[in-house]
Amino acid sequence: DAKTTQPNSMESNEEEPVHLPCNHSTISGTDYIHWYRQLPSQGPEYVIHGLTSNVNNRMASLAIAEDRKSSTLILHRATLRDAAVYYCILPGSQGNLIFGKGTKLSVKP
Amino acid sequence: NAGVTQTPKFQVLKTGQSMTLQCAQDMNHEYMSWYRQDPGMGLRLIHYSVGAGITDQGEVPNGYNVSRSTTEDFPLRLLSAAPSQTSVYFCASTIGDTGELFFGEGSRLTVL
Repeated sequence: DAKTTQPNSMESNEEEPVHLPCNHSTISGTDYIHWYRQLPSQGPEYVIHGLTSNVNNRMASLAIAEDRKSSTLILHRATLRDAAVYYCILPGSQGNLIFGKGTKLSVKP
Repeated sequence: NAGVTQTPKFQVLKTGQSMTLQCAQDMNHEYMSWYRQDPGMGLRLIHYSVGAGITDQGEVPNGYNVSRSTTEDFPLRLLSAAPSQTSVYFCASTIGDTGELFFGEGSRLTVL
C-alpha cells in the first residue's frame, strides 16, 4: 500500500491561509488523494479528494503536483474551529483508506 | 438524516467478557467498515463489508467478528475482551471506493 508523509504539527494564526503539505511519492496512477480531519473527541470528517486536477469545495482547496507525488491542502482563512488533526490519505489494497498520524493544526487567535 | 450511528458511546469490560458494538447507517451505502484508533495513532482497519452477506478482514482483525445481514447494520463483536482491545472504535460507510467516507462518533471501550 502506498504511504503518505505529513509534518507532525503546524501552527497558524486565525483568519490567515494555511497550507498543509503531504508527500506520497509511491502513489499509483489511479489512486485518489483524500483529506480528512478529526476534531477532538469526534470521528474523522471528509474534507476533500482529488485525482489530478486541483479541486475546490466549500471547506478547502486541494493542490496536486503535476507528478502527483505531493499535494497541499489549503484552508483559505483559518478559524479556531479548524484546529484538528488533518489526514492525507491514499486508498489501500482492501478498498480502505490508510490513515497515518496526520498533522495536528493549532490555530492561534 | 442520522448518518452513521454507533452504540454504545462508552463501555467498560472485564477481561474475557464479550460484547457487541452496534453500527447502523441510513444512507443505503454498500460499503461499511470498522476502524480502531489508539492514542496518538491513526485509524487501523479491523473488518469491512462491500455489501450484505459479504465481509472481509482488514489490517487488525484478530479478536473481532463481524456480520452483515442487512445493508443498514454492521455490528462488531468482541468474543473475549483483552486489555489490548482498549481503544476508540469507529464505524464508517461509503457509497464506493472514491466516495466520501462517513464516520460515526465513535465508541470508547476500556477493558480492565
